[in-house]
Amino acid sequence: ELKVEQNPLFLSMQEGKNYTIYCNYSTTSDRLYWYRQDPGKSLESLFVLLSNGAVKQEGRLMASLDTKARLSTLHITAAVHDLSATYFCAVDIGNTPLVFGKGTRLSVIA
Amino acid sequence: DAGVTQSPTHLIKTRGQQVTLRCSPKSGHDTVSWYQQALGQGPQFIFQYYEEEERQRGNFPDRFSGHQFPNYSSELNVNALLLGDSALYLCASSLWGTANTEETQYFGPGTRLLVL
Repeated sequence: ELKVEQNPLFLSMQEGKNYTIYCNYSTTSDRLYWYRQDPGKSLESLFVLLSNGAVKQEGRLMASLDTKARLSTLHITAAVHDLSATYFCAVDIGNTPLVFGKGTRLSVIA
Repeated sequence: DAGVTQSPTHLIKTRGQQVTLRCSPKSGHDTVSWYQQALGQGPQFIFQYYEEEERQRGNFPDRFSGHQFPNYSSELNVNALLLGDSALYLCASSLWGTANTEETQYFGPGTRLLVL
């Protein structure tokens, strides 16, 4: 059974600081996804990572994938308040459904 | 290009009632998946439809059923509602057969169901 674990589950950051969210998964997967969810809203796709060593960046967010370690990281650089949200990682294999982690609730404070 | 749409946005029902939620996938997509997201949790997979057939199912009871229409839109039906069915129900659309590509699942805005 494919399982996905994220840590930390809660993260309070000061503006301007850097931090990393970790996502571990239990079995070999085809794709790893990062989504953002604002309170009461749906999921917004941030990144899709396919291959070992893949790195993608968008603004202050950078995601990487290590398939051998079954680990993905979401790195936040110089956090700003607008990044406050819940971040989910998810994985799938072939056409199987997405399996999500529990999410990391990020709060960026001044 | 319309994204994934869902209706209604909010719904209040009482225990024992039945509910139908609707989803239209993103233009060009042929596969619809439904997820249940309880408060403070990650989404849990309910089932997936492709070519009007249920292709995969998560660990949900038979009270949860669905349908996909020829235009790829989909419905989720829940019978005999329980208090624990209160959640955000998310529909996601994708393109079948895009494993090992960077195609992602696009989520709709969700339907928030409250069972009293």
